[in-house]
Amino acid sequence: QQQVKQSPQSLIVQKGGISIINCAYENTAFDYFPWYQQFPGKGPALLIAIRPDVSEKKEGRFTISFNKSAKQFSLHIMDSQPGDSATYFCAASSGDYKLSFGAGTTVTVRA
Amino acid sequence: TAGITQAPTSQILAAGRSMTLRCTQDMRHNAMYWYRQDLGLGLRLIHYSNTAGTTGKGEVPDGYSVSRANTDDFPLTLASAVPSQTSVYFCASSDGTSGMNEQYFGPGTRLTVT
Repeated sequence: QQQVKQSPQSLIVQKGGISIINCAYENTAFDYFPWYQQFPGKGPALLIAIRPDVSEKKEGRFTISFNKSAKQFSLHIMDSQPGDSATYFCAASSGDYKLSFGAGTTVTVRA
Repeated sequence: TAGITQAPTSQILAAGRSMTLRCTQDMRHNAMYWYRQDLGLGLRLIHYSNTAGTTGKGEVPDGYSVSRANTDDFPLTLASAVPSQTSVYFCASSDGTSGMNEQYFGPGTRLTVT
């Protein structure tokens, strides 16, 4: 049973549009929420991460929104570009450095 | 820097045979991890090691074993492979000391068990 539930499984967005990926968790001990980006044939790489003491973190065109009371967090990709086409994984950990990953979302950005 | 290297890149293995997937990191990270990636299931932790000389079980440890004789190497062994172990295997490492536990992943090993 996955501890982090991710949706949607895939999405298609036009260039310049906004991509939104959602994740939900149950374990209230989770205190670190990273997003990883994976290109075909490569290993995942950290994209952006947040701790629950803030509700939003922005890095360039990527923003994490965090709702502690709802136990949900999401990734927004603004002004999506074809180079953003990849699989995105949300994850969570509770201080023991072991990450629980969501199932992944494949994002396709159409030019 | 090389970061994390994994070998082999891919392998076809007959059921019942044994195999060791190799992982080496050059970042002097304390913690290392093995994941398997399957479509629709994301990455699932097989085994981990917080420091040289110690290992622990992850979410899906059955059928796999690991050792951590030194800081740099973390091999994963399949003693008697079964078709359900067909997957892409990723090794990762982290320094294990910072508050934000960024994990660095290798390029993966694609294993097919026939």
